[in-house]
Amino acid sequence: KAGVTQTPRYLIKTRGQQVTLSCSPISGHRSVSWYQQTPGQGLQFLFEYFSETQRNKGNFPGRFSGRQFSNSRSEMNVSTLELGDSALYLCASSWDRLGHNEQFFGPGTRLTVL
Amino acid sequence: KNQVEQSPQSLIILEGKNCTLQCNYTVSPFSNLRWYKQDTGRGPVSLTIMTFSENTKSNGRYTATLDADTKQSSLHITASQLSDSASYICVVSAEYGNKLVFGAGTILRVKS
Repeated sequence: KAGVTQTPRYLIKTRGQQVTLSCSPISGHRSVSWYQQTPGQGLQFLFEYFSETQRNKGNFPGRFSGRQFSNSRSEMNVSTLELGDSALYLCASSWDRLGHNEQFFGPGTRLTVL
Repeated sequence: KNQVEQSPQSLIILEGKNCTLQCNYTVSPFSNLRWYKQDTGRGPVSLTIMTFSENTKSNGRYTATLDADTKQSSLHITASQLSDSASYICVVSAEYGNKLVFGAGTILRVKS
């Protein structure tokens, strides 16, 4: 069974630009969650999608948004990039509710904002 | 406030030695507790998931314990190997499974 895949793996953008990251969950998994990881803050929850609906949301500004498609693939968008958005963005999938089921993480997308 | 605190922040041990990482949480209501291993630059990998009724769970050389009364968990690594060098993250599921609360992690370095 293929694992969680994320594209691209590395990305360099400049301040003010926007970026879209993609995540393909494990086949059959319906829940996709997104996390931001920085050295100072650790792993922080962005949002969770289930059956194309946002089910949970963390404490991030509206510049961070996401969506999920009917095949459970998910995208995350960050608009008006700031230097502080430089981080490793991780996607995780689970069969159902993220809190009750094991989560499988992808390799992450390393975003650098210059 | 839901919180997960891990200690120590970092640890250096010699190859072959054992070590124990700690996780204290104030999460309510509690659903389960997870330990993840994260190699540098890679996504976390699940080691164990423990529910309220489980006291101990093993995964190879990794053994996790849970004391739901004191709200403490530990991860014991036996006969450490160089490949155990990683960040270990404790995560607690709260609010009936609707929320995951992450600890800051313990960075373990195993040296020869």
